[in-house]
Amino acid sequence: KNEVEQSPQNLTAQEGEFITINCSYSVGISALHWLQQHPGGGIVSLFMLSSGKKKHGRLIATINIQEKHSSLHITASHPRDSAVYICAVWSQGAQKLVFGQGTRLTINP
Amino acid sequence: DAGVIQSPRHEVTEMGQEVTLRCKPISGHDYLFWYRQTMMRGLELLIYFNNNVPIDDSGMPEDRFSAKMPNASFSTLKIQPSEPRDSAVYFCASTKTRALPNTGELFFGEGSRLTVL
Repeated sequence: KNEVEQSPQNLTAQEGEFITINCSYSVGISALHWLQQHPGGGIVSLFMLSSGKKKHGRLIATINIQEKHSSLHITASHPRDSAVYICAVWSQGAQKLVFGQGTRLTINP
Repeated sequence: DAGVIQSPRHEVTEMGQEVTLRCKPISGHDYLFWYRQTMMRGLELLIYFNNNVPIDDSGMPEDRFSAKMPNASFSTLKIQPSEPRDSAVYFCASTKTRALPNTGELFFGEGSRLTVL
């Protein structure tokens, strides 16, 4: 079992829909990152969380440390949000960043 | 700031050749990471440096891989000899932290896409 599991692996939605991507982890962490990667492109850090909730524009990220779970929400989704979203946690045990397998999001106009 | 700069963006080489990938981190960042991304395995940490010193190289797959950071503004990842299974996108990332590399935002380069024929 992977230490970081994301769901769903693939998600297709219509423009304007509310999107939720989930991340569960099984190790002790110091922080959790949400990353965005466009097709053929580089990787951009969206959020770094150690507790609570952060908001940036239409993106919201939450984390529940007790439940070892984080969610990334996108409100009023747009085709330009189409990308792979990657959850990564800093494992306190391994002292390194451990990545989820990514969620491929496609927003159709 | 120009961000993390990687070169080359694309490299196509033949099996057995030496490959050198380069990275310039953001000025003032004290941590530098090398990652590899493949379809099969996703993103994997290869090695990371703190203040130019290698801290964890347990992700380096084989002795064919080596990484150096001679100064705070430059790092290289070398593969010698290269093999087709090394084909991947190699990302460099940097961050600035007060104490540990788990509290800083990561900044990634655009990646170097390596194809070994």
